Amino acid sequence: NAGVMQNPRHLVRRRGQEARLRCSPMKGHSHVYWYRQLPEEGLKFMVYLQKENIIDESGMPKERFSAEFPKEGPSILRIQQVVRGDSAAYFCASSPDVELTEAFFGQGTRLTVV
Amino acid sequence: DQQVKQNSPSLSVQEGRISILNCDYTNSMFDYFLWYKKYPAEGPTFLISISSIKDKNEDGRFTVFLNKSAKHLSLHIVPSQPGDSAVYFCAASPILTGGGNKLTFGTGTQLKVEL
Repeated sequence: NAGVMQNPRHLVRRRGQEARLRCSPMKGHSHVYWYRQLPEEGLKFMVYLQKENIIDESGMPKERFSAEFPKEGPSILRIQQVVRGDSAAYFCASSPDVELTEAFFGQGTRLTVV
Repeated sequence: DQQVKQNSPSLSVQEGRISILNCDYTNSMFDYFLWYKKYPAEGPTFLISISSIKDKNEDGRFTVFLNKSAKHLSLHIVPSQPGDSAVYFCAASPILTGGGNKLTFGTGTQLKVEL
């Protein structure tokens, strides 16, 4: 019974490159959430997706960031032209539905921009 | 605008004693509250939750209390064990009012349980 799987665990990118973070939700879960944790801060909501739909992207920066959750395959958080300020831990969570269920988190991807 | 606040960045407790972690919120739309535990380099692990229709929920050594009028919740761990040493995050969502399962997190409290 695999949990939420994120890969890679660590990602190093040079400024200006693209970062692609992957998240496979738990089996049977159709809701995916992405959160970002900057150093010394709590987790901040970025985006909420269901299969092929973005439900709430109110926490996503307006530029360079995008997310998708295709019908087949993992959810992808994509950061174009990365800058040093994008260095953070990015966590994915999934839940089976929105009815009073806790979200289960993956182990995160630690992005370092050099 | 910090809608969920954990004012104590750290807490030290002796093994066997009670740990009390506090959390305040400002958004009246929040109606579902959760506590997560996090070890370094790992994702948050769900501990316990409470909906706004209750004022207490208990699960083993963990009890969460909710005071809606004060917009305050607390997590009690008794007895505390060294393995409880971690960062504890309080989180809230407007799920019952249709706001989805989007969580707003506090900044965390580092609990250290000493022998």
